[in-house]
Amino acid sequence: QQQVKQSPQSLIVQKGGISIINCAYENTAFDYFPWYQQFPGKGPALLIAIRPDVSEKKEGRFTISFNKSAKQFSLHIMDSQPGDSATYFCAASSNQAGTALIFGKGTTLSVSS
Amino acid sequence: DSGVTQTPKHLITATGQRVTLRCSPRSGDLSVYWYQQSLDQGLQFLIQYYNGEERAKGNILERFSAQQFPDLHSELNLSSLELGDSALYFCASSVLTGPDNEQFFGPGTRLTVL
Repeated sequence: QQQVKQSPQSLIVQKGGISIINCAYENTAFDYFPWYQQFPGKGPALLIAIRPDVSEKKEGRFTISFNKSAKQFSLHIMDSQPGDSATYFCAASSNQAGTALIFGKGTTLSVSS
Repeated sequence: DSGVTQTPKHLITATGQRVTLRCSPRSGDLSVYWYQQSLDQGLQFLIQYYNGEERAKGNILERFSAQQFPDLHSELNLSSLELGDSALYFCASSVLTGPDNEQFFGPGTRLTVL
């Protein structure tokens, strides 16, 4: 049973465009939702995270939108740049430090110049 | 650089063999997690240790085991290796206090089983 479903599997966006990646979760006990960015040959790195008490969080060009009733959240990358080309993973866990993350299967983003 | 180190970077071995992957967490982090990344299964949680004690288990096979030592480094032991065990293995570490569950990932060990 896949607890976090992520789409699309791959995404091609033109430079300056908006990249949107969506995730849906099933377990209502989840209350911490991070996004990780992974470049080839590197480990995942935390990009931005949100808790369900807010509907949106923005950090620079990266925004998480959260819909608690629909159990969905999404990552928006504004003004996408070639340097954003990477694999993005959504994840979920209980909002308690020291809990394993449940990851989506990832989205490979390619930003064309 | 996350501050988490993993060795070796690459490992090539044969079916039926046993290997050990090593992880050193960030300074001050007491919790260590092991994740497996494969093309078909994505990133999957295997096991977590906190200050030397096993804290949580995920989709870890019985052929796999792990431990965390008094200096907080951790080792993941994979035995009776099969072709399907070929994957990237990541270690992550975190503090066990604080409001957020940020985990810092190492660069990974790429295991190839031939």
